[in-house]
Amino acid sequence: GAVVSQHPSRVICKSGTSVKIECRSLDFQATTMFWYRQFPKKSLMLMATSNEGSKATYEQGVEKDKFLINHASLTLSTLTVTSAHPEDSSFYICSAKGRQLQETQYFGPGTRLLVL
Amino acid sequence: KNEVEQSPQNLTAQEGEFITINCSYSVGISALHWLQQHPGGGIVSLFMLSSGKKKHGRLIATINIQEKHSSLHITASHPRDSAVYICAVILSGSRLTFGEGTQLTVNP
Repeated sequence: GAVVSQHPSRVICKSGTSVKIECRSLDFQATTMFWYRQFPKKSLMLMATSNEGSKATYEQGVEKDKFLINHASLTLSTLTVTSAHPEDSSFYICSAKGRQLQETQYFGPGTRLLVL
Repeated sequence: KNEVEQSPQNLTAQEGEFITINCSYSVGISALHWLQQHPGGGIVSLFMLSSGKKKHGRLIATINIQEKHSSLHITASHPRDSAVYICAVILSGSRLTFGEGTQLTVNP
């Protein structure tokens, strides 16, 4: 199946700093990418949907100025956690899909963020 | 009430047993995913189906659109099948709505 990578896989940062997470589709053109957050023993929570070349659509309750999403190309989307706080510590997962509406979403391996 | 309900929440089995995980949803959907999440966190899409049945190796997924119900079966289970299995439905567009997951542990 198609491959989606995320980088970094783990990051530890100090409170107040910004962290960028990359999501790449390696062998297909991802017209839509999704960013999820997952708390321990909980299901995935959709944060935002990004379409290539346009602004991301954020879910209710997700601060767009805190979680900056850029989907500048058909193979790359980035999530930047700005001015990170300990409560932002979580597991962040992206997924990507191609042009067809019913196409499977392919998930990245996730990024574990710890803010000290 | 969640739009997607999975059962059981936790399941422990002995190696070789036949396993069934159930998923019920309350609204009309266009498709349903079964996902597998290993302890490291990475998620693998096992199946996407909108009708009938799909099989891949020891895994079988079925869906009954009229009854709004899907099942994931694992035949001849193995300890490496231990993972969280997540049912997710597509309600509109591409958005996925997730169940809470089923933690499966297969003991040798």
